[in-house]
Amino acid sequence: QQQVKQSPQSLIVQKGGISIINCAYENTAFDYFPWYQQFPGKGPALLIAIRPDVSEKKEGRFTISFNKSAKQFSLHIMDSQPGDSATYFCAASSNTGNQFYFGTGTSLTVIP
Amino acid sequence: DAGITQSPRHKVTETGTPVTLRCHQTENHRYMYWYRQDPGHGLRLIHYSYGVKDTDKGEVSDGYSVSRSKTEDFLLTLESATSSQTSVYFCAISESLVMGHEQFFGPGTRLTVL
Repeated sequence: QQQVKQSPQSLIVQKGGISIINCAYENTAFDYFPWYQQFPGKGPALLIAIRPDVSEKKEGRFTISFNKSAKQFSLHIMDSQPGDSATYFCAASSNTGNQFYFGTGTSLTVIP
Repeated sequence: DAGITQSPRHKVTETGTPVTLRCHQTENHRYMYWYRQDPGHGLRLIHYSYGVKDTDKGEVSDGYSVSRSKTEDFLLTLESATSSQTSVYFCAISESLVMGHEQFFGPGTRLTVL
C-alpha cells in the first residue's frame, strides 16, 4: 500500500507559469515532509522540506503548502523555467520510524 | 555533493546469476538505504541499515539481501537475479531521521537482467 500518494504523474507547464504537485498521506505519525528533485541520469536531491508545525514554507520560487487536517501537502513552483524540468518526489518520515516513504513521482516539463 | 559512490554504475547480467552492488560513503552517516526506481512506482525501499550489522527490510525486500560490516559500506546482493529485478538502484544515506535530516542519494546503478 502506497503510504504517500502523489499526483499528477506528469505535468507540462509553459515558461513563467505555476507548477503544482500534490501529495496525500494517511499516517498521522509522519512529521517530516521533504520534496526531492531528480534530473535524468542523476540521483534525487533534496529541494525543500517542511514540518507540520507550519502551514507554508518558501524558498525562492519553491513553496510547500501543508494542510495537516486534510493530510495533504503540495509543491508550488512559481515562474517555472525550462531548467526546472525534472522528476519531483514527495516523501514523508517520522521520528519513530527508520525510513522515508516516497510518492511515485511527477515528471515536470516546462516548455520555453 | 555528499560523498556517496556506487559500483558498478551499469551492469548487464543473466537470469539466475548472483549480483552484488556496492555503496560507499565518506560522510560517516549512520543510516544507509537501498532503493529501486521503476517507472510508475517511484522509489521503493529494499533494505536499510541503522548501524553496522544492523539492517532491516523495506517494502520490496524479497529476492534481496544486504550486509554492512563497516560504517562506510553497504552491499546489496541479488542471490539469483530475475528479469523483474531489472531496475535502477539507488543508495542513500542520512545522519539521522530525528529533526528531519536530509537523505543524500548516490548516482545510481542501472542493472539489466536478461
